[in-house]
Amino acid sequence: GENVEQHPSTLSVQEGDSAVIKCTYSDSASNYFPWYKQELGKRPQLIIDIRSNVGEKKDQRIAVTLNKTAKHFSLHITETQPEDSAVYFCAPNSGNTPLVFGKGTRLSVIA
Amino acid sequence: GAVVSQHPSRVICKSGTSVKIECRSLDFQATTMFWYRQFPKKSLMLMATSNEGSKATYEQGVEKDKFLINHASLTLSTLTVTSAHPEDSSFYICSARVAGGLEETQYFGPGTRLLVL
Repeated sequence: GENVEQHPSTLSVQEGDSAVIKCTYSDSASNYFPWYKQELGKRPQLIIDIRSNVGEKKDQRIAVTLNKTAKHFSLHITETQPEDSAVYFCAPNSGNTPLVFGKGTRLSVIA
Repeated sequence: GAVVSQHPSRVICKSGTSVKIECRSLDFQATTMFWYRQFPKKSLMLMATSNEGSKATYEQGVEKDKFLINHASLTLSTLTVTSAHPEDSSFYICSARVAGGLEETQYFGPGTRLLVL
């Protein structure tokens, strides 16, 4: 099965700075790479995803980059705001299997 | 679109009793639903995959006789925690895939917080 690692496990940044979270995976068949944001006591919400035919995708302040050769993909958040504080999970997937989540990264944005 | 609901949102029960949690896809049909469990400050752990009209597939270490899953229709899956014990206290979250949609996308319910006394 998929072995997923996320780094760092916790991250504190000043408001306005950038945050980067990296996810490494083991299954070379993975072709779908989503990032989820979970606020305390809430459901996980998909914030951005990328498929293996592209290397980068951007949506306003959020971007995801993919390196299939090295089997890792990263979440980039620019101009961070206090409301970006949450736990972020990656869940690389091969399409016909359930999402298996990384251990999560707790992001704190300090005003 | 693609809204998933869960009921109840939170439940407190006595040790030894059973608790049923419902997961519904409100505006789409879901041939496959998934049940996850999340302990405080931990990640979501997949418990089982629920397929409409057939038996659920359980992950290693999850007791199928303790966590009964029924997926009787294309919009409803239920998880019953039988003979609940305090260690079963957790946040249970279901998710669903749209039948005939992008096979990777999973939509999550709001979760059910279970406290066993």
